[in-house]
Amino acid sequence: QQQVKQSPQSLIVQKGGISIINCAYENTAFDYFPWYQQFPGKGPALLIAIRPDVSEKKEGRFTISFNKSAKQFSLHIMDSQPGDSATYFCAASRMDTGRRALTFGSGTRLQVQP
Amino acid sequence: GAVVSQHPSRVICKSGTSVKIECRSLDFQATTMFWYRQFPKQSLMLMATSNEGSKATYEQGVEKDKFLINHASLTLSTLTVTSAHPEDSSFYICSASYRGRNTGELFFGEGSRLTVL
Repeated sequence: QQQVKQSPQSLIVQKGGISIINCAYENTAFDYFPWYQQFPGKGPALLIAIRPDVSEKKEGRFTISFNKSAKQFSLHIMDSQPGDSATYFCAASRMDTGRRALTFGSGTRLQVQP
Repeated sequence: GAVVSQHPSRVICKSGTSVKIECRSLDFQATTMFWYRQFPKQSLMLMATSNEGSKATYEQGVEKDKFLINHASLTLSTLTVTSAHPEDSSFYICSASYRGRNTGELFFGEGSRLTVL
């Protein structure tokens, strides 16, 4: 079974600190790695994504680090703010029998304390 | 940006009734739409893949006759929960990808909270 393992399950960070969430995968056929942010009662929103041909991607305060050889990728949130408090899901995508299949991690509940 | 709209956002129904949830891509055409189910404090579980003009592909363990999916056009997919029971209460979320693109990008709807009494 394809899996994406995500850690930690929950994270508490002080305002202004760095939030780090890690994910690992097994299937080398994955070729697209997005991160989603979800607020309670809302659908997930695409935050940032990376492809395996690059090792890092930065968009504002959000950075993805990607280690292809280790099959790991992580999300760094710099200068974390209370408004960043949400659940974050990593995911991995690949083609599967002619269709795109997206596998989600288990999620990380981030709480940024003021 | 790509907007996916779901309706209704919340629905409460009695056990034994059927409920239809709509998923629309508002500013793009989506050949493929995906339906997910999410229990409280858990991740998203893919239920089925909806392809315009053809039958949906269901994930293992998902009852086809319980969760009817119709993808009638390039902008609309519907999920009908038939003869709903309390255990069907959940958060249902759809997502869509751009027609003609195979980048892996998915855009999610706001979700529909189903409560079966």
